[in-house]
Amino acid sequence: DTAVSQTPKYLVTQMGNDKSIKCEQNLGHDTMYWYKQDSKKFLKIMFSYNNKELIINETVPNRFSPKSPDKAHLNLHINSLELGDSAVYFCASSHQRHDGTGVIGELFFGEGSRLTVL
Amino acid sequence: GQSLEQPSEVTAVEGAIVQINCTYQTSGFYGLSWYQQHDGGAPTFLSYNALDGLEETGRFSSFLSRSDSYGYLLLQELQMKDSASYFCAVRISGTYKYIFGTGTRLKVLA
Repeated sequence: DTAVSQTPKYLVTQMGNDKSIKCEQNLGHDTMYWYKQDSKKFLKIMFSYNNKELIINETVPNRFSPKSPDKAHLNLHINSLELGDSAVYFCASSHQRHDGTGVIGELFFGEGSRLTVL
Repeated sequence: GQSLEQPSEVTAVEGAIVQINCTYQTSGFYGLSWYQQHDGGAPTFLSYNALDGLEETGRFSSFLSRSDSYGYLLLQELQMKDSASYFCAVRISGTYKYIFGTGTRLKVLA
């Protein structure tokens, strides 16, 4: 039973096209994220939603538009794809739990969606 | 700016001990986490330090010194399956934002 699932796993498309990636989590978490991992494996935060509300919007081109229909789903739509958009996009969710010393934030990642723009 | 720096690559032999360092410069700090990522896979959570000192979880330990803005992940009794990339991450205080380090590729040799 997959905790955080993304579709599609692979996406190959031409420059200028529009594509979407979907993410669902069944962990009951309130917060979901999109991260981009480039060819050098650098993980960069893009967006975050908490209970369907956008709370983090990093300096991402407005060709990228996230949507959260409910707190278990977070989708990413990309318009007018460019070569530089080629990367692995990870969805993640988090909850905050206490261990006596403070709040532990642990991110649970999906398996990633590898986008290749030709 | 906010940054977390790690060595790009570390190589060690099976059975050895290896330490992966992380120095951070962030506008706020809620704790230092470590993640493991195998090639083609997703990052998975390994450990978390909110306070100074050493946290041990099996073969893995993580250390934090907040005064030095520094932490490390210690892997003992290395196994081939430990070959992966390791990332430190900081949650920025007052936010839900997690910033990741540059990542360290660990190669374990037979």
